[in-house]
Parts: sequence; structure tokens; C-alpha cells
Amino acid sequence: KAGVTQTPRYLIKTRGQQVTLSCSPISGHRSVSWYQQTPGQGLQFLFEYFSETQRNKGNFPGRFSGRQFSNSRSEMNVSTLELGDSALYLCASSVQGALDQPQHFGDGTRLSIL
Amino acid sequence: GESVGLHLPTLSVQEGDNSIINCAYSNSASDYFIWYKQESGKGPQFIIDIRSNMDKRQGQRVTVLLNKTVKHLSLQIAATQPGDSAVYFCAVSGATNKLIFGTGTLLAVQP
Repeated sequence: KAGVTQTPRYLIKTRGQQVTLSCSPISGHRSVSWYQQTPGQGLQFLFEYFSETQRNKGNFPGRFSGRQFSNSRSEMNVSTLELGDSALYLCASSVQGALDQPQHFGDGTRLSIL
Repeated sequence: GESVGLHLPTLSVQEGDNSIINCAYSNSASDYFIWYKQESGKGPQFIIDIRSNMDKRQGQRVTVLLNKTVKHLSLQIAATQPGDSAVYFCAVSGATNKLIFGTGTLLAVQP
């Protein structure tokens, strides 16, 4: 069974630009969550999608958004990029949700803002 | 708010020894606890989980202990191997409808 796939693996952008990251969950998994990982803040929850609906949201500004498609694939978008958005963005999938069962993580997209 | 903290940012052990990584959480309403391992350049990998109706759970070479009285969680790794070198995260959910991760402990295994 293929794992969680995130594309691209690396991305370099400049301030003010926007970016879209993609995540393909494990087949059969309907829940997709996104996390931001930085050395200073650790792993922070961005949002969770389940059956194309945002089910939960972390404490990030509205510049961070996401969506989920009918095949459970998900994208997250960050607009008006800031230097502080440089981070590893991780996607995780699970069958039903993130709160009471293990999630399977992708290897992340490393986003660098110049 | 809810917080999850790890007691040591770095733990160095000799190959073959047992490792213990500790985690403390703040909210007594938390009911699901999980440990992940993250190797360099990779995403976190599930190790073991436990629910609040249990106080111990064992896997292959790993044991998770949950002490709800003092809100403490630990991961024990038996006969630590070089391949166990990684950052270990605990995560907790149930109180705030979010999964909260600790800051991670770097386990360094010395040959």
C-alpha cells in the first residue's frame, strides 16, 4: 500500500508570493491533516479535512487555507508569504480522524521563503 | 490552554541499554496519547498509542506507560539500537478537540 505522498518536496519562494502544496493520502483514508513544523515551535496543527469538509482548524491566520477533493487528496495554500512561513509542512492521513487513531505522515514539503 | 512538554530535549544512551523518554501533559480530560518517531528528513512515524482507560501498553521492544494521576506519559525502548536514533514526540488529544504535540526528545544511541 502506498504511503502518504507530498509534492513538491522542496520549494523556494519570495515574500508576498503564494504557494500551493499537495498531499495524496493512503488509499481509503478520508481524514487529512496538515501541520507546520519549525525548530522553534515544533509541530503545530493547521487544519483537518474529512470528506471534503474542514472539520477542525488550528490557530493560524487566514492566509493559510486548504481544501480536500472527492478522492481525498488535499491541497493547502499559503498566500502573501512571510519569512516566518519557512517551515516543513507535513500532511497526515487516517481512516476516520486525527484525535483517536494513529495518523500516517508524509515526508513533508520544505518551504523556504527568501 | 493545553500544553504538552517533554522532560529532556536530548537523551544519550549506549547501544543495548533501555531508553525512557518522558512527557507531561496539562489537561486531565485528555484521553488519547500517542508516540511518534521522526528520523532526519522524514515525516513522523507511528510507534504506539494508548487510551485513558489503560495504564500500560506494550509493542515490539516498546512500552508506553500512562500515569493519569500526575499527567505523565513515558515511552520505554528495550535494548536500544542505533536505528532507534531519532526525535521522539508524544501527542495528546481529547480535551480541546485538537492533537497537541510535545516539542520532541532527540535520542542519540552511542555504539
